Amino acid sequence: GQQVKQSSPSLTVQEGGISILNCDYENDMFDYFAWYKKYPDNSPTLLISVRSNVDKREDGRLTVFLNKSGKHFSLHITASQPEDTAVYLCAAGENQGGSAKLIFGEGTKLTVSS
Amino acid sequence: DMKVTQMPRYLIKRMGENVLLECGQDMSHETMYWYRQDPGLGLQLIYISYDVDSNSEGDIPKGYRVSRKKREHFSLILDSAKTNQTSVYFCASSPGGEETLYFGSGTRLTVL
Repeated sequence: GQQVKQSSPSLTVQEGGISILNCDYENDMFDYFAWYKKYPDNSPTLLISVRSNVDKREDGRLTVFLNKSGKHFSLHITASQPEDTAVYLCAAGENQGGSAKLIFGEGTKLTVSS
Repeated sequence: DMKVTQMPRYLIKRMGENVLLECGQDMSHETMYWYRQDPGLGLQLIYISYDVDSNSEGDIPKGYRVSRKKREHFSLILDSAKTNQTSVYFCASSPGGEETLYFGSGTRLTVL
């Protein structure tokens, strides 16, 4: 089965609103969680990541919330802009001696309408 | 400028032909990865390489093999390509001690 799952394939948000992207995982051993952004015909790039020893991390308009007991993490984008329109991929993994075998979700296509 | 380079960008092959996808990185990253991306499935890990000649299967290794003879190069080989291997293939690298992946631009492979 899918170890990392994004249940919403798409999301539309009005410009200026809050975009909330969700991700569920199955493996209790995962200790690293990340969100990547991907434009069409481009490569994924890391947006923000968090380790399991914290339950929240902010970076500008981005906040990651981690709920370990619920095996769930989310990305909140405040003041959403049209340039936030992209596919967002969540990823989770277990740090194994410095590198992580990241498992990605299916992606959520975010559209910010003006 | 840190970079992961994939060649070729687009490739069309016939079923049964051999396919070689190349990936290079100029950051001396220890770990390299091959993923494929299909609609509705996200990125699926094919192989991971922890360093030269230190390769490990990912979640979907069947039908693929890899080669890493130099730290900066990681190749994905399809011996006798199948139509269900039509996909976009992404290479990535990460430095030791870090989980951040740096992706290449991808190779769009079509197997007819």
